[in-house]
Amino acid sequence: AQTVTQSQPEMSVQEAETVTLSCTYDTSESDYYLFWYKQPPSRQMILVIRQEAYKQQNATENRFSVNFQKAAKSFSLKISDSQLGDAAMYFCAYRSAGTASKLTFGTGTRLQVTL
Amino acid sequence: GAGVSQSPSNKVTEKGKDVELRCDPISGHTALYWYRQSLGQGLEFLIYFQGNSAPDKSGLPSDRFSAERTGGSVSTLTIQRTQQEDSAVYLCASSLGALPHNEQFFGPGTRLTVL
Repeated sequence: AQTVTQSQPEMSVQEAETVTLSCTYDTSESDYYLFWYKQPPSRQMILVIRQEAYKQQNATENRFSVNFQKAAKSFSLKISDSQLGDAAMYFCAYRSAGTASKLTFGTGTRLQVTL
Repeated sequence: GAGVSQSPSNKVTEKGKDVELRCDPISGHTALYWYRQSLGQGLEFLIYFQGNSAPDKSGLPSDRFSAERTGGSVSTLTIQRTQQEDSAVYLCASSLGALPHNEQFFGPGTRLTVL
């Protein structure tokens, strides 16, 4: 079974600064997808960024980018130019490349953004 | 509707009572997922529907939990004889298909409190 570990329960960043959230995972599969989701107080999970394991290039979405290290099974999220609206819980998730596969989530990192 | 909706938003019940939680997926989405988020934990997969059938029920924690989906649309998660450990946020997600690149769109969840 796959597992996802987020070792940082809480992180804090000043507005306009950069922060990196860590995620490691364990799998014996060679093809899979990795995700970062944001969960604001409204509880609705929002997809931030997605990485396909067979792609070597790190995914980027505006101020959000990932550092995907397949051999190390590491998938960190970098948020640049942090904004107050980035404050939320962030979850790392894994999904097998087969059909009908579920998401496996880490326990989350609470990000605080300070002025 | 524009997104996944869930009802009720909050539910308080007494131990031993049955509860029904409803999920309305995005129109046209054939895949539907239920997840549970306990306090301080990540999301835990419960069950997956493709159309009206449930190929993967592996996450249901006990036989007190059941779910159905009718007309390939609305889904209901039923918890019988609720226990205090059932207290959690129950999230529903839908996607256009079940392939891993099909994004799962989440609803706002139902917060269940069992007294």
